[in-house]
Amino acid sequence: DTGVSQDPRHKITKRGQNVTFRCDPISEHNRLYWYRQTLGQGPEFLTYFQNEAQLEKSRLLSDRFSAERPKGSFSTLEIQRTEQGDSAMYLCASSLSSRTDTQYFGPGTRLTVL
Amino acid sequence: AQKVTQAQTEISVVEKEDVTLDCVYETRDTTYYLFWYKQPPSGELVFLIRRNSFDEQNEISGRYSWNFQKSTSSFNFTITASQVVDSAVYFCALSEAIAGGTSYGKLTFGQGTILTVHP
Repeated sequence: DTGVSQDPRHKITKRGQNVTFRCDPISEHNRLYWYRQTLGQGPEFLTYFQNEAQLEKSRLLSDRFSAERPKGSFSTLEIQRTEQGDSAMYLCASSLSSRTDTQYFGPGTRLTVL
Repeated sequence: AQKVTQAQTEISVVEKEDVTLDCVYETRDTTYYLFWYKQPPSGELVFLIRRNSFDEQNEISGRYSWNFQKSTSSFNFTITASQVVDSAVYFCALSEAIAGGTSYGKLTFGQGTILTVHP
């Protein structure tokens, strides 16, 4: 049984560059979530999809951030014109929409913006 | 707005000691779910338990137990006879019903409690 996978695991970039992360959810899960976690803090919700529809976006998701889930399977999160404040762990989770909706997390992508 | 507070930033114990991690939450909803996740040094959040707001029955799973008290808005987690492998950051989280109340969505996390178990 394959869990949630994320690629890359680590990304170092220079300020102003664009970066893209990928998340592959558990195969039968129709919901996919993105969270951001900074050092010493709990994860904060960014956005989520049900199938290919993006149903909610946090105010944390500035216009430099965009997420897609084109075929309702994998998802990408792109950050344009990265800033040092974007340095964080980006976590993806998936779930099977139900009354309980337990989310299972991937290993995360650690972004460092120099 | 919902909020989760884990007042204990760090806890250090010696192996075989029992340890309780506190979690207090705020929500205006009557229907919600509470969760505990573990984040070992590798970084991946591992699901431990889910509790429905209507189910205040305490639960025990091996060395883990959970005490949910709606009256005090608390959902505490106890590890009995702690082991070095329990060292991790533990997060309490809350999800509320999505509009319509038929399913639940985004999680609101506490700041986490760093647990260190010394041999």
